[in-house]
Amino acid sequence: QQPVQSPQAVILREGEDAVINCSSSKALYSVHWYRQKHGEAPVFLMILLKGGEQKGHEKISASFNEKKQQSSLYLTASQLSYSGTYFCGTAINTGTASKLTFGTGTRLQVTL
Amino acid sequence: GAVVSQHPSWVICKSGTSVKIECRSLDFQATTMFWYRQFPKQSLMLMATSNEGSKATYEQGVEKDKFLINHASLTLSTLTVTSAHPEDSSFYICSARGQPERTDTQYFGPGTRLTVL
Repeated sequence: QQPVQSPQAVILREGEDAVINCSSSKALYSVHWYRQKHGEAPVFLMILLKGGEQKGHEKISASFNEKKQQSSLYLTASQLSYSGTYFCGTAINTGTASKLTFGTGTRLQVTL
Repeated sequence: GAVVSQHPSWVICKSGTSVKIECRSLDFQATTMFWYRQFPKQSLMLMATSNEGSKATYEQGVEKDKFLINHASLTLSTLTVTSAHPEDSSFYICSARGQPERTDTQYFGPGTRLTVL
């Protein structure tokens, strides 16, 4: 089943903060965050692993609550370039058989 | 690093024809490639997973005879939409992953917009 993201959409003024949530019904091994601009491919932002390891963008942070199967992406001091649709991708295992199931998406618009 | 290309970036074809889309990893060896389909304002839906040298694994509901996937080398995978119909019009995106590792990061190509008339 597809992870559910909230909010579905958010409008910010430049400099404001935002939190995007991703909730899964399955136990997760990892959560991957991507940003997609209209008509373009998703761009990798951040990965969080079961056990606390993280890898990703220096200006974006995220958390992963393994017990609740939830992850949150924190965008601070938003810039115009942050606009786009954010997707979480969840994996229930690692290795050759691992694949991502993408969430419902959160559309973020940053204005002046 | 970790660049994935797709070709063509867009294609328009007549109903009943077949269309081939290429996905290449330019600076790494992709042991696994994934093909996704995305309708406007919707999420990415995984169609199939392909490992180099073996048959693709299709997701439930995806017709393997309609969407032919070949992963002949560690840098190239192709998706062929056979006998395309207007309902196949969509944004097709591939992603590639290197040797299995703890983070299993996927890197996405720029996508191919298919329009079937």
